[in-house]
Amino acid sequence: DAGITQSPRHKVTETGTPVTLRCHQTENHRYMYWYRQDPGHGLRLIHYSYGVKDTDKGEVSDGYSVSRSKTEDFLLTLESATSSQTSVYFCAISEPGQAGNQPQHFGDGTRLSIL
Amino acid sequence: GQNIDQPTEMTATEGAIVQINCTYQTSGFNGLFWYQQHAGEAPTFLSYNVLDGLEEKGRFSSFLSRSKGYSYLLLKELQMKDSASYLCAVREDNAGNMLTFGGGTRLMVKP
Repeated sequence: DAGITQSPRHKVTETGTPVTLRCHQTENHRYMYWYRQDPGHGLRLIHYSYGVKDTDKGEVSDGYSVSRSKTEDFLLTLESATSSQTSVYFCAISEPGQAGNQPQHFGDGTRLSIL
Repeated sequence: GQNIDQPTEMTATEGAIVQINCTYQTSGFNGLFWYQQHAGEAPTFLSYNVLDGLEEKGRFSSFLSRSKGYSYLLLKELQMKDSASYLCAVREDNAGNMLTFGGGTRLMVKP
């Protein structure tokens, strides 16, 4: 299994509070991603990173920010959580790969509930 | 942008064969991935296709037709543990290694 640790695994918080989710990898992979997964929508990309301090927005980035100060850590922050951000959040990692067939490998997810 | 369609649910019998289809529309195709996801768990990589044809890995095979924007995942000799969601994901040209996922197909295997 790819060495990806997400923390916390579960969190319940209130609307308006800040929340930070952490993704830590031990694979030294260059690319990291944050997704959310909701019924009826599948996995949707929030933000991604191609290296330290190199991040960009995905499909559903509104209300989220990220930071990557070290290769191994990718943080996702909800500055002021809303109930619509209740979801399961997955981190993924990958390498570029010459052959192009480098899959993304996923962490175990964080279940976030915002009341 | 991309549009990826998969059936929402399928049911099959233990020991049988099941085919899960995925159709996509993309401006520049650069690979298709299949993932398996058991309930409450992380998606795990199953297969990758970038050229037309069939890729076989044990009981699982994946097929791609780029001209038709079509792929399928074939599961043979179904086992109860194959009950899971199967996710189709497409990578576009010039998108680094970013993937766009379909909504997933929930497969239920019955005795």
